Amino acid sequence: TQLLEQSPQFLSIQEGENLTVYCNSSSVFSSLQWYRQEPGEGPVLLVTVVTGGEVKKLKRLTFQFGDARKDSSLHITAAQPGDTGLYLCAGDESGGSYIPTFGRGTSLIVHP
Amino acid sequence: EAQVTQNPRYLITVTGKKLTVTCSQNMNHEYMSWYRQDPGLGLRQIYYSMNVEVTDKGDVPEGYKVSRKEKRNFPLILESPSPNQTSLYFCASSLFGSGSSYNEQFFGPGTRLTVL
Repeated sequence: TQLLEQSPQFLSIQEGENLTVYCNSSSVFSSLQWYRQEPGEGPVLLVTVVTGGEVKKLKRLTFQFGDARKDSSLHITAAQPGDTGLYLCAGDESGGSYIPTFGRGTSLIVHP
Repeated sequence: EAQVTQNPRYLITVTGKKLTVTCSQNMNHEYMSWYRQDPGLGLRQIYYSMNVEVTDKGDVPEGYKVSRKEKRNFPLILESPSPNQTSLYFCASSLFGSGSSYNEQFFGPGTRLTVL
């Protein structure tokens, strides 16, 4: 059972467009992380959100943690070809599980 | 440079031939883990280790073994590889185990394994 559902699975857009990626669950998470993975490399952490309702900005990327800590979103403004990659959300379930849960990822392609 | 290294990066082998993929981190991290990444299935954890001599199963441990004799090393062992273990494997480490609100995992570059 996939505890973290990411949508959309694939996204192909033109440079300059805005986009939002969603990460949803029925479970409550003590924290949630977003990673970006480029071809031939391992995932690299972008941000960690820990407080319900929290919003974090990283240049053109805006991350939001849902009030109930069950969902998160990643919004990219004015996407650039350098944003191309696989975006993964990962969560630590409340209650002390030592196995982090990963979403299946959103594959983003930004065309010049 | 702080990093997680894996070797080999690419490996083609045959069914039943034992193999080991090495993983090493130079950040003095307590927690290390192995994942496999398959199309449509995402990252799934195979085994993890909270510290030296402490290992435990993740979501998909069947067919794999690990050991943690030293803090920096966490090798993944396939005693008798089968074609369904063809995958992209990642080693990762973090300062503390999952469950910490500030747990950032550092991933290695990946090992692409093909079992014929």
